[in-house]
Amino acid sequence: DQQVKQNSPSLSVQEGRISILNCDYTNSMFDYFLWYKKYPAEGPTFLISISSIKDKNEDGRFTVFLNKSAKHLSLHIVPSQPGDSAVYFCAASFTSGTYKYIFGTGTRLKVLA
Amino acid sequence: DAGVTQSPTHLIKTRGQHVTLRCSPISGHKSVSWYQQVLGQGPQFIFQYYEKEERGRGNFPDRFSARQFPNYSSELNVNALLLGDSALYLCASSLIRGSGTGELFFGEGSRLTVL
Repeated sequence: DQQVKQNSPSLSVQEGRISILNCDYTNSMFDYFLWYKKYPAEGPTFLISISSIKDKNEDGRFTVFLNKSAKHLSLHIVPSQPGDSAVYFCAASFTSGTYKYIFGTGTRLKVLA
Repeated sequence: DAGVTQSPTHLIKTRGQHVTLRCSPISGHKSVSWYQQVLGQGPQFIFQYYEKEERGRGNFPDRFSARQFPNYSSELNVNALLLGDSALYLCASSLIRGSGTGELFFGEGSRLTVL
């Protein structure tokens, strides 16, 4: 049962344009969400997070939007840069109880120069 | 400051063997989690330890075990290896906030190949 889904395995975007990565979840009890970036041969690197009490969180070029009614979150990267080319994972967790994070399958972003 | 360090980085084992993977968390982090990432999938939760106690366990067989030491480093042990255990094993450390969540800081992983 895939509770966190990233339905787009890959995305290509021109440098300078906006990249939008999407993530859907099925468990309405999730109340904390994160995005991670992963380069080959490296561990995932934390990008940005959002609590369910918010619908938007911004950090520089990265903005995460949360739509709780649709159980959907998205990561916007503006402007996209070639160095952003990586695999992006969304993850969800509960703020109480077990401390595990449920990851999606990832979206490979390629930013074209 | 050193990040999360894992060893070994790569290893090859044969079916039925045992493997031990090691992890040192970021200084000051008391929580260590282990994840398995199979090619083409996202990381899947195996264990979480905090203050040397198991705080969570994922849907993995009893062949998988772990422990955390007084210095907060951790070991993941896998017995009776199967071909399907071939994966990247990621260790992550975190500060546990009062809310019970916190960003995970991952190591580079240990890539296990089972032949």
